Amino acid sequence: QVQLQESGPGLVKPSETLSLTCAVSGYSISSGYYWGWIRQPPGKGLEWIGSIYHSGSTYYNPSLKSRVTISVDTSKNQFSLKLSSVTAADTAVYYCARGAMVRGVKRDYFDYWGQGTLVTVSS
Amino acid sequence: AIRMTQSPSSFSASTGDRVTITCRASQGISSYLAWYQQKPGKAPKLLIYAASTLQSGVPSRFSGSGSGTDFTLTISCLQSEDFATYYCQQYYSYPTFGPGTKVDIK
Repeated sequence: QVQLQESGPGLVKPSETLSLTCAVSGYSISSGYYWGWIRQPPGKGLEWIGSIYHSGSTYYNPSLKSRVTISVDTSKNQFSLKLSSVTAADTAVYYCARGAMVRGVKRDYFDYWGQGTLVTVSS
Repeated sequence: AIRMTQSPSSFSASTGDRVTITCRASQGISSYLAWYQQKPGKAPKLLIYAASTLQSGVPSRFSGSGSGTDFTLTISCLQSEDFATYYCQQYYSYPTFGPGTKVDIK
């Protein structure tokens, strides 16, 4: 069974960089699939941040692209998110998730999710 | 960005009801649509992909239909565990989600 677990600081100061890691178990990232980050501000809807392939190929939400970096560490079977210059608007529950593949073709819906981690941006 | 809208935003229903939620895309997305269920404090759970394909393990009372710009999620006989918020998501372009439809107990 594929499992994902987010970790990282729960409090980040404005203008600093938010950093989160997603540890994957039950599946080797090196074997394929895309791996993504999605966030949800308290009481609001879902926003896709970006995704990465095991090769390191990335694609990001255009609205966040200038501030986002997603990387992968296949040796640790994990991938990471960095979001720079954060403001209160970046306060959200951050989820990591696996992007689906159908007959070897990437499909950007998400079939396995982590439990989520709340990150608050505040001084 | 492809904008997704959902209706209604919330409604009350009773166990046993047949309920339908509508999702509309701002442009045609073929059948590149997924539906998720989210309960408070939990991660979203994939219910349906490709507009009408049931994810493994999801009860058959859930069904999806539509293509192009208009889609529906139907729960044929609402169960107590189905009270939740439902989101649609398109993946024709970079992923975007609808604002959600909350189903609560009448």
